[in-house]
Amino acid sequence: DQQVKQNSPSLSVQEGRISILNCDYTNSMFDYFLWYKKYPAEGPTFLISISSIKDKNEDGRFTVFLNKSAKHLSLHIVPSQPGDSAVYFCAASSPGNTPLVFGKGTRLSVIA
Amino acid sequence: ETGVTQTPRHLVMGMTNKKSLKCEQHLGHNAMYWYKQSAKKPLELMFVYNFKEQTENNSVPSRFSPECPNSSHLFLHLHTLQPEDSALYLCASSQDQDNTEAFFGQGTRLTVV
Repeated sequence: DQQVKQNSPSLSVQEGRISILNCDYTNSMFDYFLWYKKYPAEGPTFLISISSIKDKNEDGRFTVFLNKSAKHLSLHIVPSQPGDSAVYFCAASSPGNTPLVFGKGTRLSVIA
Repeated sequence: ETGVTQTPRHLVMGMTNKKSLKCEQHLGHNAMYWYKQSAKKPLELMFVYNFKEQTENNSVPSRFSPECPNSSHLFLHLHTLQPEDSALYLCASSQDQDNTEAFFGQGTRLTVV
C-alpha cells in the first residue's frame, strides 16, 4: 500500500500562473516532508521541505503547505515558468533511521 | 551538479551478463542509498548503507548485490538480471541516515535484453 500518494500524474499550467501540486500521505508517523524536482535523464534534486511542526514554508517562488489533520501537503509555484517543467516528487520520512518514502511523481508542463 | 556521480549513465546488458553500477560522492556523507525507478511507480528503496554498513535491504532479489568499500563509494553488482529489471537506478547520499535531505546522482538507465 502506498504511503505517499500523488494522485495527479500530470498537470499543465500557463506561464505566469500558479502551479499547485498535491500530495497525500497515510502514515501518521511522518514528520518531515520534501519535494524533489526531476528533469529527464537526471536524478531528482531537492527543492523544498517542511517539518511537521510548521504548516507553511516558503522559498522564493516555491511554497509548501502542510495540513496535518488532512495528511495533505501541496507545493505552490508562483509564477510558473517554462523551466519549471519537470516531474515533481513528494517524499516523506518518519523519526529515526528511516529513509525517504516517495510518491509516484507529477509531471508539470508550463506552457509559454 | 549535486556532488553524487553515477557511472555508467546508460547500460545495456544481456540476461547472462555480469555488470556493476558505480556511485561516488565526495560530500563527506556517511549514508548512501540505491533506489530503483520504474515507469509509473514510486522510487523504490533497494539498499541503505550507513557508515559502510548495510542497514537496510528492502527484499531485493539476490541478483542485485551491493558493495560499499568506503563511505565515498557504492557499487551495485548485477548478474543474471531479467528484462523486468530494466529501470533507472539512482544512487543518493545524505549526511547520515537521520538526515533526510538526500542528494541524488543522475542515475544509470539500465536495459536488460
